[in-house]
Amino acid sequence: AQTVTQSQPEMSVQEAETVTLSCTYDTSESDYYLFWYKQPPSRQMILVIRQEAYKQQNATENRFSVNFQKAAKSFSLKISDSQLGDAAMYFCAYLGTYKYIFGTGTRLKVLA
Amino acid sequence: ETGVTQTPRHLVMGMTNKKSLKCEQHLGHNAMYWYKQSAKKPLELMFVYNFKEQTENNSVPSRFSPECPNSSHLFLHLHTLQPEDSALYLCASSQERSGGAGSYNEQFFGPGTRLTVL
Repeated sequence: AQTVTQSQPEMSVQEAETVTLSCTYDTSESDYYLFWYKQPPSRQMILVIRQEAYKQQNATENRFSVNFQKAAKSFSLKISDSQLGDAAMYFCAYLGTYKYIFGTGTRLKVLA
Repeated sequence: ETGVTQTPRHLVMGMTNKKSLKCEQHLGHNAMYWYKQSAKKPLELMFVYNFKEQTENNSVPSRFSPECPNSSHLFLHLHTLQPEDSALYLCASSQERSGGAGSYNEQFFGPGTRLTVL
């Protein structure tokens, strides 16, 4: 069975600095997708960034980028120039064979 | 209304009550999901509906009963719940992946219903 692990329950970053959230997963599938979702205190979860496993190039979305290491089954999220609005729970998610699996989340605090 | 909406946002109920959670999506998607979010646990997928047909039920107790009358609406009927059922219940929708490289079914989430069972 597939699993997703986020080993950092909580992280803090100074405003304007860079932070990296880690995610590892386990799967025997070769075709899958990986996502980072953000859940602000208002609770509505939104997609931050996605990565197709067949693509070697790391996805980038403005200040958000990923470091996708397929062989190591690692999928970390880097947030550059952190802003107060980035404070939220961040969930790593795996999608394979039409089924989503989420990690336990990392709470990110942004310090002014 | 846009996106995915859920009502009520907060619900407190006794163990003998019967209540329902409602989810509506305005995105034209063909799949809808119920998740349970508890503190320090991964999101738990409870039910999946594709094209109004239930395709997955992850060993959810029968005190939770889903209903999907059409592709835009999803209900979760609750009866004789237990205190450990207290959690945030999230609804999501997606366009089912058509298959093949380059397609995926990104999920769009509602704001959730905070359920407290006394």
